[in-house]
Amino acid sequence: ETGVTQTPRHLVMGMTNKKSLKCEQHLGHNAMYWYKQSAKKPLELMFVYSLEERVENNSVPSRFSPECPNSSHLFLHLHTLQPEDSALYLCASSQDLSTGDPGGANVLTFGAGSRLTVL
Amino acid sequence: SQKIEQNSEALNIQEGKTATLTCNYTNYSPAYLQWYRQDPGRGPVFLLLIRENEKEKRKERLKVTFDTTLKQSLFHITASQPADSATYLCALFYNKLIFGAGTRLAVHP
Repeated sequence: ETGVTQTPRHLVMGMTNKKSLKCEQHLGHNAMYWYKQSAKKPLELMFVYSLEERVENNSVPSRFSPECPNSSHLFLHLHTLQPEDSALYLCASSQDLSTGDPGGANVLTFGAGSRLTVL
Repeated sequence: SQKIEQNSEALNIQEGKTATLTCNYTNYSPAYLQWYRQDPGRGPVFLLLIRENEKEKRKERLKVTFDTTLKQSLFHITASQPADSATYLCALFYNKLIFGAGTRLAVHP
């Protein structure tokens, strides 16, 4: 295990359901991220939290709602999703927020992902 | 905007050979570039980081080069093994970390 745990690993939901993805990191990192990975596409950065404060929201539709109650936990609440939202959702953490300083603080540790299928 | 290009087609090589994967980028040179490995159904795992002012970085059988003139990074795996089969992602930092789509490597016995 990498130290970043995601649950559930697989989720199937209808377009009208409400569900949540959970991420927990045991590394003492200060920054946490949600990425979306679709087949043969680059990772898409969705949200970034630093010390529990949201610092980036990459024009993500409001049907995705993040929550960071503390520096170890990150949630992604899902509501009224579309079939095109089916993808692998990856949580990651880093020691500190990615900056131009190429130190090890900017290395991302990823969870195993939550495979989401929207019917 | 910054773009990263990695070979979308899978790279198939024979065990024992050297695998070379390419990462090209447009526009500005990043402060640093990272390489990750991703196995099916898993998240990416960090492998190596190379800085803007470094030409080459090594770690065991892995070697990364960074040519800011060509706007390219090469990732080499020497003496490749079937266990090296995976998708390899490059990521560069320019205001934020941007990932390429990855190249799938298949090492055949």
